[in-house]
Amino acid sequence: AQSVAQPEDQVNVAEGNPLTVKCTYSVSGNPYLFWYVQYPNRGLQFLLKYITGDNLVKGSYGFEAEFNKSQTSFHLKKPSALVSDSALYFCASFSGGYNKLIFGAGTRLAVHP
Amino acid sequence: DTAVSQTPKYLVTQMGNDKSIKCEQNLGHDTMYWYKQDSKKFLKIMFSYNNKELIINETVPNRFSPKSPDKAHLNLHINSLELGDSAVYFCASSQRGQNTEAFFGQGTRLTVV
Repeated sequence: AQSVAQPEDQVNVAEGNPLTVKCTYSVSGNPYLFWYVQYPNRGLQFLLKYITGDNLVKGSYGFEAEFNKSQTSFHLKKPSALVSDSALYFCASFSGGYNKLIFGAGTRLAVHP
Repeated sequence: DTAVSQTPKYLVTQMGNDKSIKCEQNLGHDTMYWYKQDSKKFLKIMFSYNNKELIINETVPNRFSPKSPDKAHLNLHINSLELGDSAVYFCASSQRGQNTEAFFGQGTRLTVV
C-alpha cells in the first residue's frame, strides 16, 4: 500500500536557524510528492511539489524540499526559520492511478524567538 | 475571490440530526474531494468526484452522501449524526492528474453533541 510517513510529531527550532521537517514515502511507480502547511483554524495551503526533474524543489515562503530516491525521502527545509513559520506541516503523495492524495500524520513546527 | 469555499465554517448539532456542508470552487477544476481531519489532525480522504462522477469512496459509512450537481460544487450530506462524526471536514479541488496540487477550503468544524 502507498504511504507517506512523517517520523516527528514536533520539531522545535530557534528563529534564524535552519529547519528540516522529515518525510519518507512508499509508493509504487513514480512518486508525486507534495508539502502543505496548515495554520491554526485554517485550511491547507500548498507549498511545493516534486513531479520529476531536479531533486531540489523550491516553493512558497522560502521553503524548499529535497527529493532523495535512494532514501525514499522528501524532506522540507528552510535556511532561516521565522516565528511565523510555526504551523502544522503535511507531506503527501498521490496514490496509484487515482486522484487520491494521501497524507502523512503531520509535523508541528514550533519556531521560538 | 475565494478559490474553494465551504459553508458553514462551524456546525454544532445534536446526535441523530441530518446536516449538510456545501462546497464550491471557482478554479475550473475537474476534480473535487472531501477530506476528514480528526482530533489528532490526521487527514483522510472520504470521497473524490471527477466531472460530477464519483471515483473514490473510501469505505465511508453510507450515512455520508456526497452530491455533485455540477463540477464546481460538491456537497456533503450526513444523516443520523453520531458523536464520532465530530471533526473538521475539508473540501478540495484539483485538475485531474497526479502532478497537480489540490486547493483546500477553510474547513467546516462539525461538533456533534
